[in-house]
Amino acid sequence: GDSVTQMEGPVTLSEEAFLTINCTYTATGYPSLFWYVQYPGEGLQLLLKATKADDKGSNKGFEATYRKETTSFHLEKGSVQVSDSAVYFCALGVSTADKLIFGTGTRLQVFP
Amino acid sequence: DAGITQSPRYKITETGRQVTLMCHQTWSHSYMFWYRQDLGHGLRLIYYSAAADITDKGEVPDGYVVSRSKTENFPLTLESATRSQTSVYFCASRSTKPEQGRNYGYTFGSGTRLTVV
Repeated sequence: GDSVTQMEGPVTLSEEAFLTINCTYTATGYPSLFWYVQYPGEGLQLLLKATKADDKGSNKGFEATYRKETTSFHLEKGSVQVSDSAVYFCALGVSTADKLIFGTGTRLQVFP
Repeated sequence: DAGITQSPRYKITETGRQVTLMCHQTWSHSYMFWYRQDLGHGLRLIYYSAAADITDKGEVPDGYVVSRSKTENFPLTLESATRSQTSVYFCASRSTKPEQGRNYGYTFGSGTRLTVV
């Protein structure tokens, strides 16, 4: 069945470090891919998305490229800030279904 | 205010009691969803609804009941609460407008933290 696998956290970085959070997926058909972010005490917010292979989603300095050949959608940021500390969820949407499938989430902690 | 609101924000209930979590959205989105969030499991879909009076089970529906008599409301009821239902519950909605194409971006509420003692 369709699924999303994320790297386990927490990921602990110093401010201005480079961030990568890995996400791979299994899906039939041609899924759309998403990254959501959850700040402490809040609901999830859409961070970026890509709807077809080789698309790059970007927002707030974060980027992710839809790689069909490796079934991946890794999240990257060149220089993290303390305010980026949150839980990040990779998600998959299949056109034949009505719902998103989420990964288990990766907690990012950024220290000054 | 426009948006998606959940109530209550926090709830403590006893085992065996019935409890209802409320979700209200102001966009007239067709689709609404209930997820629970637990450590090690991420988000798991409980129930979803494609429109008023249309609901369907998700991954973990046992012990929950939903209804959708109006487009804007999607309450989730725990008929007889158990300790295993202690969790954070999130409601979400999305539109099916044609211009969104394959954008399945959801909008989430702020969550309800439920503790069953």
